[in-house]
Amino acid sequence: DTGVSQNPRHKITKRGQNVTFRCDPISEHNRLYWYRQTLGQGPEFLTYFQNEAQLEKSRLLSDRFSAERPKGSFSTLEIQRTEQGDSAMYLCASSFPRGGMNTEAFFGQGTRLTVV
Amino acid sequence: AQSVTQLGSHVSVSEGALVLLRCNYSSSVPPYLFWYVQYPNQGLQLLLKYTSAATLVKGINGFEAEFKKSETSFHLTKPSAHMSDAAEYFCAVSEIQGAQKLVFGQGTRLTINP
Repeated sequence: DTGVSQNPRHKITKRGQNVTFRCDPISEHNRLYWYRQTLGQGPEFLTYFQNEAQLEKSRLLSDRFSAERPKGSFSTLEIQRTEQGDSAMYLCASSFPRGGMNTEAFFGQGTRLTVV
Repeated sequence: AQSVTQLGSHVSVSEGALVLLRCNYSSSVPPYLFWYVQYPNQGLQLLLKYTSAATLVKGINGFEAEFKKSETSFHLTKPSAHMSDAAEYFCAVSEIQGAQKLVFGQGTRLTINP
């Protein structure tokens, strides 16, 4: 396994279009996280899954954002009706907690979205 | 709510000099603290983490950090900087145990001068 994989690496879209990003976590990791990182800022938590269950989505930025993990493996993040302010790096991470402890989350290389 | 403050958005040191990146946190519960490094156009790589065991934590690439509860600090240090250390560094606190629901600081860009 080569780590967390995100596709595409770069996406340029016109304002108003819908975009979807994919994240493939490390195979045995049951937790998957989405973050957004804007230029010059630290990553901002969006949502996370344990297996196929979305345990928190209150941090999703608006109702234009949605995420799924239908079979508890890969996940998708969709942004509808994109706006220029959605331009950012979208990061995915996965982890496998052991005994309730905070084990390391492994991050993918991210998808850089540019809305023009 | 938990928060992280990184003092200094840019730090510049000479090769071979001490690296000190500052991080202060705010948390109403015992925190889990992390330092991540990010190279250009890359994801984040974990340098080290504090999970209530030893207060002095050693990480990869010669970095270490000390948890000081009285100062609510978790500063990152390295005795001797290498050119390859040039990157963006993020301090983060985990809101809940067992999940990497992280709150990040704004980052510190480290520049190494030859």
